Amino acid sequence: SAVISQKPSRDICQRGTSLTIQCQVDSQVTMMFWYRQQPGQSLTLIATANQGSEATYESGFVIDKFPISRPNLTFSTLTVSNMSPEDSSIYLCSVAPQETSTDTQYFGPGTRLTVL
Amino acid sequence: AQKVTQAQTEISVVEKEDVTLDCVYETRDTTYYLFWYKQPPSGELVFLIRRNSFDEQNEISGRYSWNFQKSTSSFNFTITASQVVDSAVYFCALMWVSGTYKYIFGTGTRLKVLA
Repeated sequence: SAVISQKPSRDICQRGTSLTIQCQVDSQVTMMFWYRQQPGQSLTLIATANQGSEATYESGFVIDKFPISRPNLTFSTLTVSNMSPEDSSIYLCSVAPQETSTDTQYFGPGTRLTVL
Repeated sequence: AQKVTQAQTEISVVEKEDVTLDCVYETRDTTYYLFWYKQPPSGELVFLIRRNSFDEQNEISGRYSWNFQKSTSSFNFTITASQVVDSAVYFCALMWVSGTYKYIFGTGTRLKVLA
């Protein structure tokens, strides 16, 4: 499986500001995903980020609110824009490494975001 | 519509008891994959098992076993002789292909193993 790191691990932000979360993988992967996990809830897929193409957003999530970059096969960023307290969640990136099986996701440690 | 149901919100057992976590799924696709993940208090999601829709063999890995039954659309997870370290939230997930890979997670079951 891939080793995935996320920065920051946690942050406390003020309403109206933006935060960019970084996801770094120790090997090249085609598929990267961004999830949100609200307190005590399940995971909800925000978008799929493939290198060389625009991110594909799930229903209820838009690029203006959650812009994503994928500059290469080992790195991606998710920005949470114009934050409100409702954005307080854990944000997780995941990858599906081809060398194992492209359908299995492995998750990073998550970024715990609190918006005041 | 695709759906994953984990009806058990929280389960408490005493150490060394066996416990089964239920997962029922709905899908129109004939090709799909099912997963179980563990999320301990530290928060990181740990992959436990993957099963594709054509493989109904049960699987055993140490104290963990999984029972996949397409006839009842269930993919249940049993922990034998539970330990305190098994305390976590366990998620069942479904994946299918619709242009790209699509995933949906169940709401999770919180397992508390008491010493």
